[in-house]
This record gives sequence, C-alpha cells and structure tokens, in this order.
Amino acid sequence: AQSVTQLDSQVPVFEEAPVELRCNYSSSVSVYLFWYVQYPNQGLQLLLKYLSGSTLVESINGFEAEFNKSQTSFHLRKPSVHISDTAEYFCAVNAFTNSGYALNFGKGTSLLVTP
Amino acid sequence: DADVTQTPRNRITKTGKRIMLECSQTKGHDRMYWYRQDPGLGLRLIYYSFDVKDINKGEISDGYSVSRQAQAKFSLSLESAIPNQTALYFCATSDLDGARGYTFGSGTRLTVV
Repeated sequence: AQSVTQLDSQVPVFEEAPVELRCNYSSSVSVYLFWYVQYPNQGLQLLLKYLSGSTLVESINGFEAEFNKSQTSFHLRKPSVHISDTAEYFCAVNAFTNSGYALNFGKGTSLLVTP
Repeated sequence: DADVTQTPRNRITKTGKRIMLECSQTKGHDRMYWYRQDPGLGLRLIYYSFDVKDINKGEISDGYSVSRQAQAKFSLSLESAIPNQTALYFCATSDLDGARGYTFGSGTRLTVV
C-alpha cells in the first residue's frame, strides 16, 4: 500500500527566507503526487501535482516541487516566502485500493511565516 | 456556486445522537470520498464511492455509514455520535484516476458533546 511521510510537523521561517517542506512516499508502482494547502479556517486547495513528464512542477504562487523517483520524494520549495504563505501543507499520493484510486495524505506540515 | 458543497458547515450534537452530513458536487464525476481531519493526523479516508452502486470502506469506517443517493450526492452518517468523532469532515470528488486532482468541499466542523 502507498503511504506518505511528511518529515516536519512544523516549520517556522522568517519572511523572504527560503523554505523546503519535505515529503517522502512509499510505493512499488507509478503514482500521482499532490501538494494541497489549507489556509486558516478554510478547506483544501490543490497547490500542484505531478503526474508524469518533467520532474519539476510549479504552482502559480511561486512554489515548486520536484519528483525524485530514486529517493521517493516530492519536496515542496519556495525561494522567498510571504506572511500570506502561513498555512498547513499536505502531501498526498494517489493510492490504489481494491477497486480504484483514492488520495492518501501525509499528516501535514504547518508553515508559520513571521516578519 | 461551489463545485463541492457540504452542509452543514458547523454542527454541535450530543453523544448518542444520529447525525447526517451531506455533500453534493457539480463536477459530474463518478467518484466521491469522505475524509476526516484531526490535528496532527492529517486527513484520513472514511468511505469512498466510485459510482452510485459502489461503496467502499476506508481506513477509519467504524462508527460511520454512507449513502450514495445519486451521482452528485454522497452523505455521511454517524449512527450514534461519540466525542472522539469531533473533527473536521471533508467531502471530495475526482475523475477516474485523480489525474486532474481531487476537489474538496469547505468542510463540516462537527463537535460531539
């Protein structure tokens, strides 16, 4: 079964500093990988996804993630964070169940950006 | 209108009461899901349905049941609510293999007292 490990539960960072949120997955088959973001008191929004092709994927707000098959990782990065990036970030893998796919989440990483 | 609508947004109920959370989607997808979010545990899958006649248990289905009334509607019931079912519940929908991503509702915050 596929599983997801987010290595940091909390990441505090100063505004305009770079950040990396780490995600590792376990799977013996090809997977789709996702990062979702949850702003305070809101639902989940898709940040970016990897399906196939280029291993580097980007979001519209400056985040990027790199799929590394040999290290089974999909780390999320941003070169310069803003206060507004404060949120919970979830890494997820499309896991194959008995009759199809379902999304399997990591436990989340809380990103706190301070001035 | 939102692609995935959950009702109610917030609910406080007493231990032992039956409660239903409703979800409807306008994406036209066959696949629908119910997740539960708890602090520090991420989102965990409760039930999922790949079409109207297909219902599957997820990781944490005990104490819950579901009904797929139509392609667009998927409700979650707590037959006899208990305090440790206090959580944020999300409904989601996806296309065949999730390649386009999963679309989530805004969530239902349930408190069992």
